[in-house]
Amino acid sequence: QKEVEQNSGPLSVPEGAIASLNCTYSDRGSQSFFWYRQYSGKSPELIMSIYSNGDKEDGRFTAQLNKASQYVSLLIRDSQPSDSATYLCAVDNYGQNFVFGPGTRLSVLP
Amino acid sequence: NAGVTQTPKFRILKIGQSMTLQCAQDMNHNYMYWYRQDPGMGLKLIYYSVGAGITDKGEVPNGYNVSRSTTEDFPLRLELAAPSQTSVYFCASSFTVYEQYFGPGTRLTVT
Repeated sequence: QKEVEQNSGPLSVPEGAIASLNCTYSDRGSQSFFWYRQYSGKSPELIMSIYSNGDKEDGRFTAQLNKASQYVSLLIRDSQPSDSATYLCAVDNYGQNFVFGPGTRLSVLP
Repeated sequence: NAGVTQTPKFRILKIGQSMTLQCAQDMNHNYMYWYRQDPGMGLKLIYYSVGAGITDKGEVPNGYNVSRSTTEDFPLRLELAAPSQTSVYFCASSFTVYEQYFGPGTRLTVT
């Protein structure tokens, strides 16, 4: 079974700062990587996907992938209190489904 | 589009009872999934389906059964409920394996 690891947090950052969320995975053959955001008591929602090494930017979010190091990260610029949530890293499992990490709880302090 | 719908939202079961969690999607997605999420934990895959008539086990299938007779519906059956099955259950669907869309969840307590 593939493993996906994340720091559980909580990660606390002041409003306006950059939040950096990290994820490592065990299977070097993994090809597709996803970040989901989950507000307390709600269902996960997809915020970013990344398939190639390097950076992918979407608004205030940047996903970074380094397949050689088996590492994927999510940067949130100009963090807002509304970004306070749990962020789940997901890695594809032989193209059939995902393996999710345990999630990192982010708290953005006003 | 309603997206992915789940019923019921909440349920309390006694040990040994059975129930079916309903999941439906109106996006004509081929792939459907059932996850459970224990407090403070990530999502664990129970079962998934790549199309009508095709189902496969995920990471934690014991104590559960599924069927997929139509593209739209993917019910999850709990037989002989146990306290270890207390969790929040999420159904998800996707057109391919990527970009899964999640339902609102069912919060189940077994006492």
